[in-house]
Amino acid sequence: EDQVTQSPEALRLQEGESSSLNCSYTVSGLRGLFWYRQDPGKGPEFLFTLYSAGEEKEKERLKATLTKKESFLHITAPKPEDSATYLCAVQARNTGNQFYFGTGTSLTVIP
Amino acid sequence: DTEVTQTPKHLVMGMTNKKSLKCEQHMGHRAMYWYKQKAKKPPELMFVYSYEKLSINESVPSRFSPECPNSSLLNLHLHALQPEDSALYLCASSQEWTANTGELFFGEGSRLTVL
Repeated sequence: EDQVTQSPEALRLQEGESSSLNCSYTVSGLRGLFWYRQDPGKGPEFLFTLYSAGEEKEKERLKATLTKKESFLHITAPKPEDSATYLCAVQARNTGNQFYFGTGTSLTVIP
Repeated sequence: DTEVTQTPKHLVMGMTNKKSLKCEQHMGHRAMYWYKQKAKKPPELMFVYSYEKLSINESVPSRFSPECPNSSLLNLHLHALQPEDSALYLCASSQEWTANTGELFFGEGSRLTVL
């Protein structure tokens, strides 16, 4: 049973076309939900940590939100340089201390 | 400074070779990790070191041998690898290995190709 599911698998946007990526989780006792950006052949780059439902974090064109079942990464007026794979990961009471990663959303922003 | 440095960036080795991947962090983090990532897949945990002691080994084959010489360094020794071991190997660190580790910081990765 997948504990972290990301959708869509791939997303193509025109430059300036806002959208949202989803990360749903089924773990219990969430201790943290983490968003990362990963460029091809590179390591994941940390973006946000969310700890409790209702929490929101923002960075430039990105905004992450958290509910009791899912997190959204909102991308406002994206630019081509936002093209990357976005990974979410959770750490929870029933995952020990481990991070469980979703399979990611591959975002392509077309000029 | 939130940097994790990995060397080499690229490594090509034969199945009979012995090589090592190296990782260094100077953030004062006490937990360090090795992950393996195949194309279009999420990172998979291999090993966790906490305070220089091996805390987690995710049933990794013995041809992969981790070593943590001190709190800033982490090595992964490779011997008799198989072509299916070709992947991006990622090192990461966090402040602690606890129920609330906080975020992991990843290095750029070492791209390994086994011929």
